[in-house]
Amino acid sequence: GAGVSQSPRYKVAKRGQDVALRCDPISGHVSLFWYQQALGQGPEFLTYFQNEAQLDKSGLPSDRFFAERPEGSVSTLKIQRTQQEDSAVYLCATNRDRRQETQYFGPGTRLLVL
Amino acid sequence: QKEVEQDPGPLSVPEGAIVSLNCTYSNSAFQYFMWYRQYSRKGPELLMYTYSSGNKEDGRFTAQVDKSSKYISLFIRDSQPSDSATYLCAMNRYGGYNKLIFGAGTRLAVHP
Repeated sequence: GAGVSQSPRYKVAKRGQDVALRCDPISGHVSLFWYQQALGQGPEFLTYFQNEAQLDKSGLPSDRFFAERPEGSVSTLKIQRTQQEDSAVYLCATNRDRRQETQYFGPGTRLLVL
Repeated sequence: QKEVEQDPGPLSVPEGAIVSLNCTYSNSAFQYFMWYRQYSRKGPELLMYTYSSGNKEDGRFTAQVDKSSKYISLFIRDSQPSDSATYLCAMNRYGGYNKLIFGAGTRLAVHP
């Protein structure tokens, strides 16, 4: 596709439920980032992949958060045992290579944990 | 204290006004400075990108970076109702992968 796509666009989960959020990057983009955007705040870095390698996961808030990109293309962010504080928009961004400054963002997945 | 500070607004201006949006930052290692526009329920889209200090103009938009003051600005001339959105400043360090550090975003409303 022409841009970064994410699915689902909206997800309502009961507290304690596991969720999986998907990111389809722009074809050929090597770098992939996940960000978390709380209501009224700017995005905050969660994790970074270069191809299939997860090079930085310093922003993941707890060990309930797990991300993977097994074939260096599609990425999945998984949240186990969701909590109310996990409610946020989860954004995926990609760029062509690690030297390129421009990041292209997807529309985000809006997660609401009840 | 956050690395990047941005007044969340909201900012309301009449159509045709000049809008000034600003961010301050504390990390002197930041070298790349960006402004993103985010419409409601959409992902951020890149508006302007500047490396180090100086000015950059693109149509109605001008970005300024003053590294000595750790202060960046975005000016919008002849503002339009379609400019109503949240404007996010973002920056990152030189070298390595480019993890972006964002401000909180300023919500702008341009009324006809």
